[in-house]
Amino acid sequence: DVVLTQSPLSLPVTLGQPASISCRSSQSLVHTSGYTYLHWVQQRPGQSPRRLIYKVSNRDSGVPDRFSGSGSGSEFTLKISRVEAEDVGIYYCVQGSHWPPITFGQGTRLEIE
Amino acid sequence: EVQLVESGGGLVQPGGSLRLSCAASGFIFGDYFMDWVRQAPGKGLEWVGRIRNKANSYTTDYAASVQGRFSISRDDSKNSLFLQMNGLKTDDTAIYFCARDITHGAPGSYWGQGTLVTVSS
Repeated sequence: DVVLTQSPLSLPVTLGQPASISCRSSQSLVHTSGYTYLHWVQQRPGQSPRRLIYKVSNRDSGVPDRFSGSGSGSEFTLKISRVEAEDVGIYYCVQGSHWPPITFGQGTRLEIE
Repeated sequence: EVQLVESGGGLVQPGGSLRLSCAASGFIFGDYFMDWVRQAPGKGLEWVGRIRNKANSYTTDYAASVQGRFSISRDDSKNSLFLQMNGLKTDDTAIYFCARDITHGAPGSYWGQGTLVTVSS
């Protein structure tokens, strides 16, 4: 199974400052199709998850452009250019390149300091 | 507007069974793979299983932790997804979310609000 390791697990950030979350995979996430099915999911407190980024760097509908994804192979990053209060929550990377099973990272808790 | 609404959660004793439902609307349900994902109290997200669409023969896959105990089905005529859970264990206590193809390689992956399953004596 593919293991996704996120860091940091806790991320205190000052409002208006940037934030960055790393996701490393136990193997390359390049699918036989040539695409990389590494996505990012946000879960705000008390809410259900929602996907922010698909295939490494593509924003889902309605996602603010302060969110961006990058990376390749087995190392990926989610960046928030300027953190806002509504960004508080837990962020997960998830892979669909080598499934079953679909696997999630442990989650990174972003909080405002 | 895409909506996914889960139901059927509740309290069940260890060894018991429960059937969860997910009502979908706002999209062509039959076109999509559908997933169940769970979240134990205070824990992260865990994929439970997936059912493919008709074009892919409605085949299913499951996490090792539920293989042989859980079964996913769908009724495209009723835009509904189901999760049959048998032999429930205390470790199965979680919020269960249905989701539209969480690894879809195009815009639009949606999740329901979840339904709580508590396994306890």
